Amino acid sequence: GAVVSQHPSRVICKSGTSVKIECRSLDFQATTMFWYRQFPKQSLMLMATSNEGSKATYEQGVEKDKFLINHASLTLSTLTVTSAHPEDSSFYICSARGLANEKLFFGSGTQLSVL
Amino acid sequence: DQQVKQNSPSLSVQEGRISILNCDYTNSMFDYFLWYKKYPAEGPTFLISISSIKDKNEDGRFTVFLNKSAKHLSLHIVPSQPGDSAVYFCAASAKGTYKYIFGTGTRLKVLA
Repeated sequence: GAVVSQHPSRVICKSGTSVKIECRSLDFQATTMFWYRQFPKQSLMLMATSNEGSKATYEQGVEKDKFLINHASLTLSTLTVTSAHPEDSSFYICSARGLANEKLFFGSGTQLSVL
Repeated sequence: DQQVKQNSPSLSVQEGRISILNCDYTNSMFDYFLWYKKYPAEGPTFLISISSIKDKNEDGRFTVFLNKSAKHLSLHIVPSQPGDSAVYFCAASAKGTYKYIFGTGTRLKVLA
């Protein structure tokens, strides 16, 4: 099956710093990538939808200036958590969809801990 | 407003028996459904999907049933194996959006 690589898998940072998470589709071109976050024992919450070459579409309640998404190529999308605070600590997961595929392929996730 | 619901947070089943995981949705525009399996601190792994034009899809030990009138789908795993122990999420999307809404998950534990 298709492979989506996400890194880092775990990051610990100080409050006020920015963290970048990368999501790459390794063996297919991802026209659309999605970013989710998951709090413990809760569902995956969609944060934003990212289409290659265009601005990301953010879900209601997600601050676009705080969670910067860039989808510069068909194989790479990045999520930057700017000026991170402890409440941003969460598990972030990306997913990618190929050109002719209803399925989503997920990265392995990034556990962000902000001290 | 939770558009996709998995009302059972956990389920325990004996090895070899059938596991049935349920999912309900409220949005009648949803027409494509997925089931994912997730281990702690890992990304979800795709299991099986179903389109609204079908009422059943089978793949090995996994079968998904869709009841559109009841807005209900279920995942059957038979026979259940200890390696199936994980959290299972159902997800739904409306045609053309590819924006999936996930349920809250059901933690399945298969007892040896």
